[in-house]
Amino acid sequence: NAGVTQTPKFQVLKTGQSMTLQCAQDMNHEYMSWYRQDPGMGLRLIHYSVGAGITDQGEVPNGYNVSRSTTEDFPLRLLSAAPSQTSVYFCASRSALSGVVAQYFGPGTRLTVL
Amino acid sequence: AQSVTQLDSHVSVSEGTPVLLRCNYSSSYSPSLFWYVQHPNKGLQLLLKYTSAATLVKGINGFEAEFKKSETSFHLTKPSAHMSDAAEYFCVVSAISGNTGKLIFGQGTTLQVKP
Repeated sequence: NAGVTQTPKFQVLKTGQSMTLQCAQDMNHEYMSWYRQDPGMGLRLIHYSVGAGITDQGEVPNGYNVSRSTTEDFPLRLLSAAPSQTSVYFCASRSALSGVVAQYFGPGTRLTVL
Repeated sequence: AQSVTQLDSHVSVSEGTPVLLRCNYSSSYSPSLFWYVQHPNKGLQLLLKYTSAATLVKGINGFEAEFKKSETSFHLTKPSAHMSDAAEYFCVVSAISGNTGKLIFGQGTTLQVKP
């Protein structure tokens, strides 16, 4: 299993540009999430999904869109990039099994918006 | 609402001495708690997770954490620090009892290990 994969690893955008961060998992996990990591703030949840066709907002959803057409993929779209979206983005997935189940994180995408 | 507070933003220890990274949580439910580690320019790796089976949880690389409900704490410890332990550590609580995968992260503690 490749686990959780993210592309690209690095990206530089100009203000106003749009792009999509890709996330895929091959573990058949129902739950997937996007986080952003900023210095001194830990990771904050942007959007999450509990299954194909179902998404919901997290703590910091503004400026981001998501969709979940398949179990495997959960892309994050920036419609009009802003410098405040400069961050490291992590995708995560986990099983819907009951009990305490850990999330698996991708390696991250480092995004800079100029 | 669930929240987690890491009491130290930066901890510095000498190699071979004990490590203590402090974490307090707030939860309306019986919490699910985790510690994750992030080495420089790397993703997050699970160190350990709390299940209700045992209050003392052993993780990878010699780390362990003790769940203390009366103190609402979940401190991470290691008897003897190694240079390779230098990283950022996150205490994490599950946002809602059991499911959805929503996690609340602490602000992180940077562990420095001096030779």
